[in-house]
Amino acid sequence: GDSVTQMEGPVTLSEEAFLTINCTYTATGYPSLFWYVQYPGEGLQLLLKATKADDKGSNKGFEATYRKETTSFHLEKGSVQVSDSAVYFCALTQGAQKLVFGQGTRLTINP
Amino acid sequence: NAGVTQTPKFRVLKTGQSMTLLCAQDMNHEYMYWYRQDPGMGLRLIHYSVGEGTTAKGEVPDGYNVSRLKKQNFLLGLESAAPSQTSVYFCASSYLLNQPQHFGDGTRLSIL
Repeated sequence: GDSVTQMEGPVTLSEEAFLTINCTYTATGYPSLFWYVQYPGEGLQLLLKATKADDKGSNKGFEATYRKETTSFHLEKGSVQVSDSAVYFCALTQGAQKLVFGQGTRLTINP
Repeated sequence: NAGVTQTPKFRVLKTGQSMTLLCAQDMNHEYMYWYRQDPGMGLRLIHYSVGEGTTAKGEVPDGYNVSRLKKQNFLLGLESAAPSQTSVYFCASSYLLNQPQHFGDGTRLSIL
C-alpha cells in the first residue's frame, strides 16, 4: 500500500538556520501531498499542500515542492524561528483513499 | 469559529472502566475520524465515518467502538479500558475523504 517516510528526529537547530525535513513517498498513482504541523498541546494543522507534480506549496515561510521523479516532498524554510518548534508530519492521499501519515519529525529551535 | 471540539481534554481511568470521548464539528463535514497518537508511532487511525449513521474500522479498531448518530458528532467509546489504551486521542473531520483534515486539540487519556 501507499506509505510515507520522513527523516527521523529530533532535529535541533539554532534560530535563523536553514531547515530541511525530508519526506519520500510510495504510491501507485498520483497522490496529493501535505505537510501538517503540531504545536505543543495542540492538534495537527495543515501547513501546506501540493496536488500535482512540480507544484510548490508554501505557507508561513515554509515551502515544499512535489517531485515525482524522486517521489519526494521535502519541507524547507530559509530562516527558522523559536516559534517553529513543533512536530511536522508529511502525508499523502489519492483517489478515495484516506490520509496516510508519516511518523512525524520533532523540530526544536534554540534561541 | 470552533472547528473541531473534543471533550474531555484530560481523563484518568482505572483498568476495566468505560468512558466515551465526544467529538463535535461545526463545518458540515461528511467525514470524521478518530486517531490515537503514541510516542514514536505517529498517528494511527482507529475508526472513521463517511457520513451520518455510518462507521468503518481503521488500522487499530480493537477495544474501541464508535457511533455517528448525528452528522456533527462522532463518539469514541472504550467499554473496558486497558493500560495499553493510554494515549492521546485526536478527532478530525474533512469535507471529502481525500481532502485536508481538520483536527481537534486532543484528549489525553491515562489508564491506570
